[in-house]
This record gives sequence, C-alpha cells and structure tokens, in this order.
Amino acid sequence: GIQVEQSPPDLILQEGANSTLRCNFSDSVNNLQWFHQNPWGQLINLFYIPSGTKQNGRLSATTVATERYSLLYISSSQTTDSGVYFCAVPSSGGYNKLIFGAGTRLAVHP
Amino acid sequence: EAGVTQSPTHLIKTRGQQATLRCSPISGHTSVYWYQQALGLGLQFLLWYDEGEERNRGNFPPRFSGRQFPNYSSELNVNALELEDSALYLCASSPLAPQFFGPGTRLTVL
Repeated sequence: GIQVEQSPPDLILQEGANSTLRCNFSDSVNNLQWFHQNPWGQLINLFYIPSGTKQNGRLSATTVATERYSLLYISSSQTTDSGVYFCAVPSSGGYNKLIFGAGTRLAVHP
Repeated sequence: EAGVTQSPTHLIKTRGQQATLRCSPISGHTSVYWYQQALGLGLQFLLWYDEGEERNRGNFPPRFSGRQFPNYSSELNVNALELEDSALYLCASSPLAPQFFGPGTRLTVL
C-alpha cells in the first residue's frame, strides 16, 4: 500500500522563525490533507490540497503531485503553533481511509 | 455549523469489559471513519461507514465493531478490552473529501 513519510520528525524553533515541513508519498494521489494535532489530541484541518499552493494566514502549503510530495510552510512561528503536524493521503487514490505519516513534532519556544 | 462531536471525552475500563464510543458527524456528511491513535503506533484506520453500511475495515480483530445509524451517527464497540486498546479514538466525517475530525475519546484500560 501507499507509504507516507514526513520530515523532520522533530523541530525546535524560536518564536518568530520560519519552518518547512515535508511529506513524501509513494504513489499517485488525488488529494492530500495537512493537520495540526493540538495538545488535547484533536486533529485540526489545515489544508486540503490535492495540488498547487494554498495559503491561510501564516501557513501555506504546496503539493507537487507529479513528484509525490507536499510542503507545509509556517512563517513567523508562535508558541501556539506547537504540536504535531500530520499529512495524510487516501489509501487507494480515491475517497477512502486516510494513511497518515508519522508526524512532525514542533516545539516553538518564546 | 457544528463540527464532529464525540462522547464520552474520557473512558476508563478494566480488562475484559466492553467500551462503547459515539460519534455524530457534520450535518450532511454520510461517511464516518474511525481511527485509533495508540502510543507509539501513529494514527491507524479502524472502520469506515457510509449510508449505514460498513465499507472498509482496517487490520483490527473482530473485537472492534461498530454501526452507523439512520441519522448517520456512529458507534464503535470494543469487546473484551485488552491493555493495548488504551488509545485516543478519533472519529471523522466527510461528504467524500476532505475528512473532518472530532475531538476524540481517550480510552484507558486498566
């Protein structure tokens, strides 16, 4: 089945710094989601981005489907950005169960 | 618009007991997904229900079962609880894509 790899596994930033998180997937997909898991465990939808680039405030994401990767950019990081970031793709390229990467754990220090 | 809701927030059971977790999807969403997030094992797909029927099942024993009601809400039942069933159980709903997640139920098996 499809494999999803995220890097780096851990990231420590000072408040105000920028960062790039990467998600590689092993097969073609027709959609991809980025999530932020808050300290209470809830997965917050950040982006639904099958291809191209989207921006939402200080966050943006780019998916290059032909090269099987997606990037999540966080600019001017804040302590509230801390948590785990996951990317996920459908298992068979369609509308089905999501396969998650192992996540990037981000800690932003003041 | 109300998001996905789950109950209870926390559940403590002992080995051998049964647990019932509940999920209400976003209005208009017919698909409900269940995922398990156990410590060190990442997010794993459990079950997918759509229009009242089980559409897909992850690699979990038959002790894990569920159902979807006519109003599209769903129950996850875990029988004969084992210590390793301790985890965060997340429910998601979708029209097709993307999936939107609830706050989760944290199950602790003693």
